[in-house]
Amino acid sequence: DAGVIQSPRHEVTEMGQEVTLRCKPISGHNSLFWYRQTMMRGLELLIYFNNNVPIDDSGMPEDRFSAKMPNASFSTLKIQPSEPRDSAVYFCASSLAGYGNTIYFGEGSWLTVV
Amino acid sequence: GDSVTQMEGPVTLSEEAFLTINCTYTATGYPSLFWYVQYPGEGLQLLLKATKADDKGSNKGFEATYRKETTSFHLEKGSVQVSDSAVYFCALSGPTNAGKSTFGDGTTLTVKP
Repeated sequence: DAGVIQSPRHEVTEMGQEVTLRCKPISGHNSLFWYRQTMMRGLELLIYFNNNVPIDDSGMPEDRFSAKMPNASFSTLKIQPSEPRDSAVYFCASSLAGYGNTIYFGEGSWLTVV
Repeated sequence: GDSVTQMEGPVTLSEEAFLTINCTYTATGYPSLFWYVQYPGEGLQLLLKATKADDKGSNKGFEATYRKETTSFHLEKGSVQVSDSAVYFCALSGPTNAGKSTFGDGTTLTVKP
């Protein structure tokens, strides 16, 4: 079975540029999560969706960040404009909705903003 | 709200040593408890889980027992290997959180030959 698929795996961009990260969740999963991981702040939940609807975006750091889930098999996380402090690993994850279910993580998108 | 407190790292052990990583939690109701592992350069993956009190989760020689009386879910392994070097995250999924899991800060384990 295919796991959670993220692209790009690595991205280096200049400050001020727009960055779009993409995610394909596991087929049949109806919850999708975007996390950010840095050495300083650890693992942070940015936003999560249930049945394509954003449920909690309280972790989105600021208006420069936006996330969409137009259908059950695709989500994007966009940063515009990007800043050096956005450099991090961004993980997409999916699960079946409801508590007690395992969350399945993608391999991550490694973002460097210079 | 729900919270998870993990033993601070990093932890460095010699091969074949005994491992314990402590995890305690605060939650409303009866959460499910998890240990996830993150190997270098990879995403987190499930190591083991337990869904009710006194359940023991086990995988790859690792074990953890759901202790409701002490609100704990400590991770143990009797003999670690170099390949166990990774970051370990304790997590819970509770009935009041609409499917959103709460993660601990992670504990970095390094096993030396």
